[in-house]
Amino acid sequence: DIQMTQSPSSLSASVGDRVTITCRASQGIRNDLGWYQQKPGKAPKRLIYAASRLQSGVPSRFSGSGSGTEFTLTISSLQPEDFATYYCLQHNSYPWTFGQGTKVEIK
Amino acid sequence: QVQLVESGGGVVQPGWSLRLSCAASGFTFNTYAIHWVRQAPGKGLDWVAVISFDGSNKYYADSVKGRFTISRDNSRNTLYLQMDSLRPEDSAVYYCANLRPTDSWGQGTLVTVSS
Repeated sequence: DIQMTQSPSSLSASVGDRVTITCRASQGIRNDLGWYQQKPGKAPKRLIYAASRLQSGVPSRFSGSGSGTEFTLTISSLQPEDFATYYCLQHNSYPWTFGQGTKVEIK
Repeated sequence: QVQLVESGGGVVQPGWSLRLSCAASGFTFNTYAIHWVRQAPGKGLDWVAVISFDGSNKYYADSVKGRFTISRDNSRNTLYLQMDSLRPEDSAVYYCANLRPTDSWGQGTLVTVSS
């Protein structure tokens, strides 16, 4: 099974900061990765698919990069509505696996 | 619009069984693979199982293999998750989701396994 190691597990940041979250796969997964945002009490919402493609309707301050085993989600200028938990999900092979999550909190 | 509505959650004792349902509408259900994803209270997301569009292929997380069974009835636009031999660690909100190529999730149904 493919393990996804996500870091950091949490971070504190201010509005306007640039934020970077990383996922590392235990083996190569090409670009078969998505990034999800989840707010308390709500279902997750996909932000990025195919590692770097922005989901329709998602603000352009979100971007994804990487291929193979190293992936990054970047928020270029953190907004108040971005405080949430973020997850990566590999869909290269079953069983699919999520990263452990990164909680983005207000500094 | 696309809608996924889970039902069937509740409180059960360890070793008991429960069947979850997910009613789909607003899209062509029989052309998409559908997933179950769960989230224990205060924890991260945990992929559980998937079934292909026609029900011919099914895959499971190691943690539920042999205890959970995913199925679908395309004539009723409904997905199921039969959960047997439930354990306390199966306690979670269970979501059904259409994860590729679209991104659609239900609101979740809570399962609590406790004596």
